[in-house]
Amino acid sequence: QVHLVQSGTEMEKPGASVRISCKASGFTFSSYYIHWVRQAPGQGLEWMGIINLSGGGTNYAPKFQGRATLTRDTSTSTVYMDLRGLTSDDTAVYYCARDKDRGMGPADYWGQGTLVTVSS
Amino acid sequence: DTVMTQSPDSLAVSLGERATINCKSSQSLLYRSNNKNYLAWYQQKPGQPPKLLVYWASTRESGVPDRFSGSGSGTDFTLTISSLQAEDVAVYYCQQYYYTPRTFGQGTRVEIE
Repeated sequence: QVHLVQSGTEMEKPGASVRISCKASGFTFSSYYIHWVRQAPGQGLEWMGIINLSGGGTNYAPKFQGRATLTRDTSTSTVYMDLRGLTSDDTAVYYCARDKDRGMGPADYWGQGTLVTVSS
Repeated sequence: DTVMTQSPDSLAVSLGERATINCKSSQSLLYRSNNKNYLAWYQQKPGQPPKLLVYWASTRESGVPDRFSGSGSGTDFTLTISSLQAEDVAVYYCQQYYYTPRTFGQGTRVEIE
């Protein structure tokens, strides 16, 4: 079955960068796209961007363009999300999620989430 | 960005009764070439990631109980839980996946009355 397993909790200082990994299994990696979505404490869901696992092409929400970078390693079926210039507003749970329909669908499988806390 | 507005923000429904959540998009989500509405509904329980319930506005995801149904077209959509069960207590989100950035509604909290 499909699994997306994310890396563990991160605690960073303002101005730092963070890298979160998302290891996929149970499906043909290069046939799908992966979304990244975040959720601040007690708040709603915010879409950050999407990566094509075949060619590596990406599309970001304008808010994260230039600050977030999505990459993938096809040899390990792992997707990475790098976020730079962290502020306290970036404190959130970050999720990776698989797109159901070639980058044109909803997210059908989700990782367990990674909590990132930004604090001095 | 496409703004998704859900109503109400929260509702309390008795067990076995109907719950209705509305979602309005600031732009049409209907793609006329395939006659599909690019609208999904998710359920999120505390401490868990969201779970896909409905996509293409009215297609139930595999394994989702048939008491959950989606309807609507264009800019106005509805998620209905026909007979609320205790395990349905959660926050529900709509999401449009027609435009980038993809956007979510603010969420609707469903509780037992």
